[in-house]
Amino acid sequence: GENVEQHPSTLSVQEGDSAVIKCTYSDSASNYFPWYKQELGKGPQLIIDIRSNVGEKKDQRIAVTLNKTAKHFSLHITETQPEDSAVYFCAASKGAGGTSYGKLTFGQGTILTVHP
Amino acid sequence: DAGITQSPRHKVTETGTPVTLRCHQTENHRYMYWYRQDPGHGLRLIHYSYGVKDTDKGEVSDGYSVSRSKTEDFLLTLESATSSQTSVYFCAGSGTGEAGELFFGEGSRLTVL
Repeated sequence: GENVEQHPSTLSVQEGDSAVIKCTYSDSASNYFPWYKQELGKGPQLIIDIRSNVGEKKDQRIAVTLNKTAKHFSLHITETQPEDSAVYFCAASKGAGGTSYGKLTFGQGTILTVHP
Repeated sequence: DAGITQSPRHKVTETGTPVTLRCHQTENHRYMYWYRQDPGHGLRLIHYSYGVKDTDKGEVSDGYSVSRSKTEDFLLTLESATSSQTSVYFCAGSGTGEAGELFFGEGSRLTVL
């Protein structure tokens, strides 16, 4: 089955700096790569996703890049703010409609702390 | 997402007892999922449903069963709880919103003594 490795497990930055979280996956058939943000005591929430036919996607301060050849994808957060502090999870699935997108294999998570 | 509520939010039980966690949704999600979250493992899929009375196993289904008798409710049952099932359980729904997006509940923390 799919295996997703996520690094680093913890990341501490100063407000205004950039943060980068990296993930690798093992199954070349995976084609859907979402990123979820989880705040303390809450469920994860989708912040951005990318599909395998796209190399990069950006949404304001957040961007995701995908390298299918190397089987890795990364989350980039620019101009970090204290409210970005949370746990971030990458995930992968073989999306083809129906439940396939939601049958995700998650990485282990990264605790991001943004210091004011 | 306020459209998915889980109950109970916290439960402490003893080894060998049955436990049922409930997920109720008001968003008309067609597809629903149960995940468990453990340190160092991220979230892992237990079971999922692709319609009323249609369910299937996920990655870590041993010791768990599910039922979905109506669109709104998705139940997760531990027939005989074990300490290895101490975890935080998340229900999620999809089928509305952007294709692929999962909407999670706020979790149920289960401790098995």
